[in-house]
Amino acid sequence: DQQVKQNSPSLSVQEGRISILNCDYTNSMFDYFLWYKKYPAEGPTFLISISSIKDKNEDGRFTVFLNKSAKHLSLHIVPSQPGDSAVYFCAASAGGSNYKLTFGKGTLLTVNP
Amino acid sequence: SQTIHQWPATLVQPVGSPLSLECTVEGTSNPNLYWYRQAAGRGLQLLFYSVGIGQISSEVPQNLSASRPQDRQFILSSKKLLLSDSGFYLCAWTRDLIYEQYFGPGTRLTVT
Repeated sequence: DQQVKQNSPSLSVQEGRISILNCDYTNSMFDYFLWYKKYPAEGPTFLISISSIKDKNEDGRFTVFLNKSAKHLSLHIVPSQPGDSAVYFCAASAGGSNYKLTFGKGTLLTVNP
Repeated sequence: SQTIHQWPATLVQPVGSPLSLECTVEGTSNPNLYWYRQAAGRGLQLLFYSVGIGQISSEVPQNLSASRPQDRQFILSSKKLLLSDSGFYLCAWTRDLIYEQYFGPGTRLTVT
């Protein structure tokens, strides 16, 4: 049972345009959501997070939107840069369970110059 | 600042051989520690987590075990490797009551 789903295995965008990565979840106990970026043969790097009490969080070029009623979140990258090309993982936590994270399978973003 | 180390970076082992992967964290005390595996084309699967010395919780029953002999040391082991144990193993840490986990560089394990 996959509780966090990233239905797009890959996404390709032009440099300077917006990248939108999507994530859906099924567990209504999740109260915190995170996005990680991963380059090949490296560990994931934390990007941005959002609590379930908010619907938007912004950090520079990165914005995460949360729609609790739809159990959906998205990561917007504006403007996209070639260095953003990586695999992006969505993760969720129910907090009280030792702050464990449940990850999606990831979306490979390619930003073309 | 905090730093997390993993070694070795890469490992090629025959089926049936033992395994020991090590993870250490510097610059913090009493971290929560996690072992994940990323199999080819798949997401990150949580294998074990630990909230203190000697305290290990297993998420997925399998051929692996974990130990935490010291506060900032986390070890992943196997007595006999299977082909299906191949993958990219990641260690992560966080402070208690904090959601954001920080990952090490990973170990690429190939079982032949």
